[in-house]
Amino acid sequence: GENVEQHPSTLSVQEGDSAVIKCTYSDSASNYFPWYKQELGKRPQLIIDIRSNVGEKKDQRIAVTLNKTAKHFSLHITETQPEDSAVYFCAASYSGGYQKVTFGTGTKLQVIP
Amino acid sequence: DVKVTQSSRYLVKRTGEKVFLECVQDMDHENMFWYRQDPGLGLRLIYFSYDVKMKEKGDIPEGYSVSREKKERFSLILESASTNQTSMYLCASRTDGDTQYFGPGTRLTVL
Repeated sequence: GENVEQHPSTLSVQEGDSAVIKCTYSDSASNYFPWYKQELGKRPQLIIDIRSNVGEKKDQRIAVTLNKTAKHFSLHITETQPEDSAVYFCAASYSGGYQKVTFGTGTKLQVIP
Repeated sequence: DVKVTQSSRYLVKRTGEKVFLECVQDMDHENMFWYRQDPGLGLRLIYFSYDVKMKEKGDIPEGYSVSREKKERFSLILESASTNQTSMYLCASRTDGDTQYFGPGTRLTVL
């Protein structure tokens, strides 16, 4: 089955700096890669996703890149703000057949004002 | 706006009790999931269902069972709760190849 590894497990950055979280996946059939943000005491919510037919996607201060050959994808947050502090999860999924989604173990991001 | 709701936010049970956790979604999604979330271990899939009365084991199904009698409802059952099942349980739903939406979670404590 699919295995998703996520690094780092914790990340501290100064407000205004950039943050990068990296994930690798094992199943070359995976073709959908979402990123979720979970604030303390709240449910995970999708912040951005990418499908295997594109290499990069941006949404304001957030971007995700995908390297299918190397089987890794990354989340980039620029100009970080204190409200970006949360746990971030990457995931990988195959959009055909059964819809199992495999998550990474999460990255706790702390943005220091 | 997609809504996924769970029957309880907090639950305290005793060892050996049978526990039911219920999840309801209102978006006619085919796929529903149960995860448990523990610090440092991320979201681990317990069971998922891709249709009514259909279920598949996830990565950690031992000690759990599920039921999906109606498309909108997916139940997680702990036949005989144990202390190592103390955790946060998250339900989710999605349609094919699309965003997964999570419920608010149930924090279960087994004494």
